[in-house]
Amino acid sequence: AQTVTQSQPEMSVQEAETVTLSCTYDTSESNYYLFWYKQPPSRQMILVIRQEAYKQQNATENRFSVNFQKAAKSFSLKISDSQLGDTAMYFCAFMLGSSGNTPLVFGKGTRLSVIA
Amino acid sequence: EAQVTQNPRYLITVTGKKLTVTCSQNMNHEYMSWYRQDPGLGLRQIYYSMNVEVTDKGDVPEGYKVSRKEKRNFPLILESPSPNQTSLYFCASSLWGTTEAFFGQGTRLTVV
Repeated sequence: AQTVTQSQPEMSVQEAETVTLSCTYDTSESNYYLFWYKQPPSRQMILVIRQEAYKQQNATENRFSVNFQKAAKSFSLKISDSQLGDTAMYFCAFMLGSSGNTPLVFGKGTRLSVIA
Repeated sequence: EAQVTQNPRYLITVTGKKLTVTCSQNMNHEYMSWYRQDPGLGLRQIYYSMNVEVTDKGDVPEGYKVSRKEKRNFPLILESPSPNQTSLYFCASSLWGTTEAFFGQGTRLTVV
């Protein structure tokens, strides 16, 4: 079975600074996707970024980027120029395959606070 | 607007009183699933459905039922709720062949 581990239950960062959230996963499969979801106080689950395992290039979305280390099974999220609106719970998630019909396996989450 | 709609958003009920949380999507997605979110545990899958009349258990199915009579709807049924089912519940859907899951707004359930 696949597992996802987020080792930082809580983190804080000053506004405009950079912060990195850690995620490691365990799988014996080679075809999978990795995701970071943001959950603000509104509780909505918002997809931040997605990485395909077969792509070596790290995904980026504006201020959000990942460091995907496939051999180490590591998938960290870097948030640059942190903003107050980035305050949220962040979940790392794993999906086996690419057909969309397998479950998302989530980590326990990291609560990020951006401080003015 | 493409969306997944859950109702109700908040529910307080008593132990043993049957309840249903509805989930509806307007994107013609085949795959739908239910997750529960608990502090320190992240989200865990309860049940999923690959299409109409096709459902299967996820990681934490005990105490729950689902049905998929229509493609757009995937209700979650708690026949006899217990306090350990107090949680935040999410419905999600996705299109076959894609990896983007669309989530509902969540349902905060409290069983007393």
